[in-house]
Formats: sequence, structure tokens, C-alpha cells
Amino acid sequence: GIQVEQSPPDLILQEGANSTLRCNFSDSVNNLQWFHQNPWGQLINLFYIPSGTKQNGRLSATTVATERYSLLYISSSQTTDSGVYFCPAFHHGSGNTGKLIFGQGTTLQVKP
Amino acid sequence: KAGVTQTPRYLIKTRGQQVTLSCSPISGHRSVSWYQQTPGQGLQFLFEYFSETQRNKGNFPGRFSGRQFSNSRSEMNVSTLELGDSALYLCASSLAGHTEAFFGQGTRLTVV
Repeated sequence: GIQVEQSPPDLILQEGANSTLRCNFSDSVNNLQWFHQNPWGQLINLFYIPSGTKQNGRLSATTVATERYSLLYISSSQTTDSGVYFCPAFHHGSGNTGKLIFGQGTTLQVKP
Repeated sequence: KAGVTQTPRYLIKTRGQQVTLSCSPISGHRSVSWYQQTPGQGLQFLFEYFSETQRNKGNFPGRFSGRQFSNSRSEMNVSTLELGDSALYLCASSLAGHTEAFFGQGTRLTVV
């Protein structure tokens, strides 16, 4: 099946630093999303980004669907950015079904 | 508008028992998907329901089942619980399945 590789697996930053998280896919995907999982387990929507670039405050994301990767940029990180980041997507060959494929996530810790 | 609601939030069950979890999607959303999250396996797809029909199923034993009602609310059931079923169960709601997904807060199940 399709593989989602997220890098780095773990990241420790000092508050105020910038970072880039990356997702690579082994096959064509559709309708990629970025989520932040908070300490209580809920997945918070960051971006719905099938292609192109979007920005929301200190966060921005870029998906290059033809090259099968996506990037999440976090600028001026804050302690509240800590948590796990996921970039699931739908496999291009799965039709219209709602099966998201997840990677193992990037665990971010922002220190004060 | 109201988000995705999962109940209960926490559950402790004994091996061999069965459990039913509930998910109420965002109003107007017809697709509900279920995921299991464990430290060892990450986030894994269980199944997806759309308009009361199971449209896709992950690689889980038959002890895991689900259904969807006419109001799009969904339930999943796990029978003959095993210790390995201890996990965070997340449900996702979307308009049509392969569109932007929104997750509930999850149900944390502990099997003792």
C-alpha cells in the first residue's frame, strides 16, 4: 500500500525558532491535509491543501502533488505549537472513499 | 457550527466485554470514518460509512463493526475485547468522503 514518510520524526526547538516539516508519499495522493494533534488527542485542522501554497498566521504549507510531497512551515514557534503533526491524504486510486493514509507523524517540542 | 462529537470520552472495560462508541458528524456531512490510534501502530483506518453504507474497510478482525444511521450518526462496536484493543478511537466527518475531514475529540478505551 501507499507509504507516508514524515520527517523529522522528532524535533526540539527553542521558542521563537522556525522549522520545516516534510511529508513524502510513495504514490499519487489527493486532498492532503495537515493536522496538529493536541495533548488530549484531538486532531486539529491546520490546512486542506491538495496543491499550491496556503498561509495562516505563523503557519504555511506547500504541496507539490506532481512530486508527491508537502511541507509545513512554522515560524516564530510557541510552546503551544508542541504536539504531533500529521499530513494524511487520500490515495489517488481509492476512488471517493474516505480512507485517509497517515504517516507516523512529527513530534514537536517547543521549549520556553 | 457544532463540530464532530464523540461519546463517551473515556471508557474502561474488562477483557471479553463488548463496547459501543458513538460519533455525531458535522451537520450536513454524510461520511463518517473511524480510526484507531495506538503508540505502536499509529493511526489506522477502521472503516468508512456513507449514506448508511459501509464503503471501505481496513484490515481489522470481524470483532470490529460499525453502522451509520439515517441522520449520519455512526456507531462502532468492538466485541470480545482484548488488551490490545486499548487505544484512542477517532472518528472523522466529511461531506463526501474524499473531501476535507474533521475529527472528533476521540474516545480513549482502556481494556483491563
